[in-house]
Amino acid sequence: DAMVIQNPRYQVTQFGKPVTLSCSQTLNHNVMYWYQQKSSQAPKLLFHYYDKDFNNEADTPDNFQSRRPNTSFCFLDIRSPGLGDAAMYLCATSRDGTRQETQYFGPGTRLLVL
Amino acid sequence: RKEVEQDPGPFNVPEGATVAFNCTYSNSASQSFFWYRQDCRKEPKLLMSVYSSGNEDGRFTAQLNRASQYISLLIRDSKLSDSATYLCVVNPAGGTSYGKLTFGQGTILTVHP
Repeated sequence: DAMVIQNPRYQVTQFGKPVTLSCSQTLNHNVMYWYQQKSSQAPKLLFHYYDKDFNNEADTPDNFQSRRPNTSFCFLDIRSPGLGDAAMYLCATSRDGTRQETQYFGPGTRLLVL
Repeated sequence: RKEVEQDPGPFNVPEGATVAFNCTYSNSASQSFFWYRQDCRKEPKLLMSVYSSGNEDGRFTAQLNRASQYISLLIRDSKLSDSATYLCVVNPAGGTSYGKLTFGQGTILTVHP
């Protein structure tokens, strides 16, 4: 029973070539999050949606954009990937984003930039 | 100072050992606390929430000390399958934070036969 699905699991792109990562959820949760996790580092929140309300973290580079066309899907667009953007990108959901709620993570997309 | 700090380890312990991880957080108004587990190249998964009174789930015990801004995780009778990275996670204070989580860098545990 897949709950948070991320495609593809591995993505290779070229320096400067736009890339889109996708996330879908079958939980009907209101909140969806995108995290970036580099090797041996903690996941870092990039942005999140509460329903259609987009919330960008202050230190998220402009190179990163997101779209949420409906409740189930959320996309991460990297307009001009640099070598430093190679990382695992994790999508997560929570029902309403209240403080005690569990966040459910997808398996992640590992991005390699050549 | 990092918002959430953990000893990165690694901790190498034999099966059956008891091991404890510590975590400190900087925002005294933080409201919610969690331990997540992350296996190599996998996503984080919730291990347990941490409540003020402390809580236990089988071999795992979590403690919170708000005065010292300190969280701990104790694992008793370690199993090989406990080998993973343990992430201390804090939800900052109130308002419309929509469940924003701040992760520590994780503590690596390796349990050997």
